[in-house]
Amino acid sequence: EVQLSESGGGLEQPGESLRLSCAASGFGFSSYAMSWVRQAPGKGLEWVSAISGGGYGTYYADSVKGRFTISRDNSKDTLYLQMNSLRAEDTALYYCVKGSGSARPYFFDSWGQGTLVTVSP
Amino acid sequence: EIVLTQSPGTLSLSPGERATLSCRASQSLTSSYLAWYQQRPGQPPRLVIYGASNRATGIPDRFSGTGSGTDFTLTISRLEPEDFAVYYCQEYGSSRTFGQGTKLDVK
Repeated sequence: EVQLSESGGGLEQPGESLRLSCAASGFGFSSYAMSWVRQAPGKGLEWVSAISGGGYGTYYADSVKGRFTISRDNSKDTLYLQMNSLRAEDTALYYCVKGSGSARPYFFDSWGQGTLVTVSP
Repeated sequence: EIVLTQSPGTLSLSPGERATLSCRASQSLTSSYLAWYQQRPGQPPRLVIYGASNRATGIPDRFSGTGSGTDFTLTISRLEPEDFAVYYCQEYGSSRTFGQGTKLDVK
């Protein structure tokens, strides 16, 4: 069974940094692309970032480009999201999401429970 | 960037009725790379349909997806109580964008 467990969320002030982690199990982690998708309170889904199975291809939404960095450690079956220069509009529940393949195109076939990031003075 | 517009915003129906949800793309989608997700309150989204018409593992056959090009539809033939949720469409061929969602609630 696929399991995705996010951690690292919390309350930060604007301009600060935060690092999210996602521990994966139940599948061949390195064979699948992974993504982060966020959901602001009471709002819809927003794709944030993606990384290919081997980690060589990384992709970002315009809203986070230059501030967030996605990475993965395939030896530890773990996905990361380094979030710098946080803004109030980054406040959201961040989901770790498994892609259906190693590279595009892929849909999102498994989701974690999410970790909450709150950016506030 | 492809923009997905879902309609209606809210759909109020009773259990046993048929639900028809629409997703319209701002430009034609490559190879029907369109997925539908269900999100129940307090839960993460769950994949329902991929490739416009393929049911995900464990999804009952009352769910069906149709469409191509710019117009896509998710149909739930006979609503069960657990089907009342928010549904999102997503284009995954290029931009990975989501639609704004359709809330399916009990009439």
